[in-house]
Amino acid sequence: SAVISQKPSRDICQRGTSLTIQCQVDSQVTMMFWYRQQPGQSLTLIATANQGSEATYESGFVIDKFPISRPNLTFSTLTVSNMSPEDSSIYLCSVVLQGTPDTQYFGPGTRLTVL
Amino acid sequence: AQSVTQPDIHITVSEGASLELRCNYSYGATPYLFWYVQSPGQGLQLLLKYFSGDTLVQGIKGFEAEFKRSQSSFNLRKPSVHWSDAAEYFCAVGNTGGFKTIFGAGTRLFVKA
Repeated sequence: SAVISQKPSRDICQRGTSLTIQCQVDSQVTMMFWYRQQPGQSLTLIATANQGSEATYESGFVIDKFPISRPNLTFSTLTVSNMSPEDSSIYLCSVVLQGTPDTQYFGPGTRLTVL
Repeated sequence: AQSVTQPDIHITVSEGASLELRCNYSYGATPYLFWYVQSPGQGLQLLLKYFSGDTLVQGIKGFEAEFKRSQSSFNLRKPSVHWSDAAEYFCAVGNTGGFKTIFGAGTRLFVKA
């Protein structure tokens, strides 16, 4: 497996502001994903983070609201823009590692509360 | 359409008792099946996975799961539950490459002394 870290682990933000979440992996990665887990809910895929190009967003998620960067193989950021209380969730990055191409491994998550 | 159903929103078992968490899936091709566990305030940890071969899969922490194609099920079991097993458990189905993994709604496990 690998060590997947996310920063920050949690944050409390004001309505209308933006927060950038970082995901860093210590192993070779083929795929990176960002998920949202709303309170008491399962995981919903936001987008696939593509190295050096625009992310691939799932239905219901747009780049203006959730800009994603992936400048290299092992690092990605997700920004939650112009936040509202409805954005309060856990945001998780997941990766597919070289050598285990069919399995996703998850970071510890970022717990976001928007007031 | 592809889907994963975990019929039990929550389950309570006594410490030391056996556990079975149910998972049913709908998938057009041969599924890749996973069980993850999420402890409070934590990310998801992979318990076990099934791709092919022996239909009884062993995982970490003493968990196992059995793939039954005829029933489209992939139930998770543990013979003796520990208090530290209290967590949320997610069943998931995917395909090769890790794309488009679909997660069930989760089953929250409570363990009573």
